[in-house]
Amino acid sequence: QVTLRETGPARVTPTQTLTLTCTFSGFSLNTPGMCVSWIRQPPGKALEWLALIDWDGDFYYTTSLKTRLTISKDTSKNQVVLTVTNMDPVDTGTYFCARMSVTGFFDYWGQGTLVTVSS
Amino acid sequence: QSALTQPPSASGSPGQSVTISCTGTSGDVGDYNYVSWYQQHPGKAPKLLIYEVTKRPSGVPDRFSGSKSGNTASLTVSGLRAEDEADYYCSSFAGRNSVVFGGGTKVTVL
Repeated sequence: QVTLRETGPARVTPTQTLTLTCTFSGFSLNTPGMCVSWIRQPPGKALEWLALIDWDGDFYYTTSLKTRLTISKDTSKNQVVLTVTNMDPVDTGTYFCARMSVTGFFDYWGQGTLVTVSS
Repeated sequence: QSALTQPPSASGSPGQSVTISCTGTSGDVGDYNYVSWYQQHPGKAPKLLIYEVTKRPSGVPDRFSGSKSGNTASLTVSGLRAEDEADYYCSSFAGRNSVVFGGGTKVTVL
């Protein structure tokens, strides 16, 4: 059974760095073809893909946020971590992690964690 | 990485069919048969309905079907049911290991 769960702060202040952790089970990120992505969704708005890390440790970011994102993995803990620097109120939203195939679809999702950026 | 274009809303009566379009470019939808569709109920995580344009994961009813022509992909929901009322999102592989989502379509069952 594949599960993913996001954890992190519910609120950050502007300019702070956000750190989110995705803890997963039921698969190994060492297995060729396995990837984990982060996706976010502002309240009432569309999904936005942010970043992915693959079984080989390679990582990729959405162009618009590339300078602010860092994704990493700890295979021994079955965790993927996303950091977002210089948080702004427009970054408020629900952040999801999801298992991703090499052809770009997301077959298992976490329940999401709502992050509010406010002073 | 511009968002894919979806109509903001669609509707149909129970038992009818509704089709949602998803228009991209030659850099995403047009270049790859890697379009997927997701259903999202309020307050819930998205659920995969269709992947690689036409494939359905185990457990997804065959009332949901996908297709693609050129730069436009489509999701058809046949035999609409009350529980199909939700937001639907398309996404496409966009090269260089990136993914782009559509703006979402709210489906209302009349």
